[in-house]
Amino acid sequence: NAGVTQTPKFQVLKTGQSMTLQCAQDMNHEYMSWYRQDPGMGLRLIHYSVGAGITDQGEVPNGYNVSRSTTEDFPLRLLSAAPSQTSVYFCASSYSSRGFLYEQYFGPGTRLTVT
Amino acid sequence: AQSVSQHNHHVILSEAASLELGCNYSYGGTVNLFWYVQYPGQHLQLLLKYFSGDPLVKGIKGFEAEFIKSKFSFNLRKPSVQWSDTAEYFCALDKIIFGSGTRLSIRP
Repeated sequence: NAGVTQTPKFQVLKTGQSMTLQCAQDMNHEYMSWYRQDPGMGLRLIHYSVGAGITDQGEVPNGYNVSRSTTEDFPLRLLSAAPSQTSVYFCASSYSSRGFLYEQYFGPGTRLTVT
Repeated sequence: AQSVSQHNHHVILSEAASLELGCNYSYGGTVNLFWYVQYPGQHLQLLLKYFSGDPLVKGIKGFEAEFIKSKFSFNLRKPSVQWSDTAEYFCALDKIIFGSGTRLSIRP
């Protein structure tokens, strides 16, 4: 199993540009999520999905869109990049049962810089 | 509202010292609790987890954590740290909530 994969690993964008961060998992996990990690702020949840076709907002959703057309893929779209979106982005997946999440498996991260 | 608090932002220890990192959560129902570790330049990995049963759980690399329901706590411990334990440690509640993290620096 490859686990959770993310592409690209690094990206530099200009303000106003749009792009999609890719995330895929091969563990058949229903639950997937996107976090951003900023110094001193830990991990903040952007969006999550409990299954194909179902997405919901997390703590910091503004400026980001997601979709979940398949169990495996959960791309994160930046609609119009802003310097405040400079961060490291982590995708994660988890098995869930009866409303409980089991441990999350994290991807290697995407380091995004917006100039 | 559900939350996870890690009050120690940065802990500096010498090798062989004992470690305890605090984690308190706010949630009235049944919880699953986790500790994750992020080594420099790497992604988060699971250190240990508590679902139910014995409140003292053992994880990888000699780490353990104790779930104390009355104190809403899930503190991480290690009797003797090594330089390779230098990392950031995150406590998490299964409701996809993470603490802000504790950076652990070990002096050789």
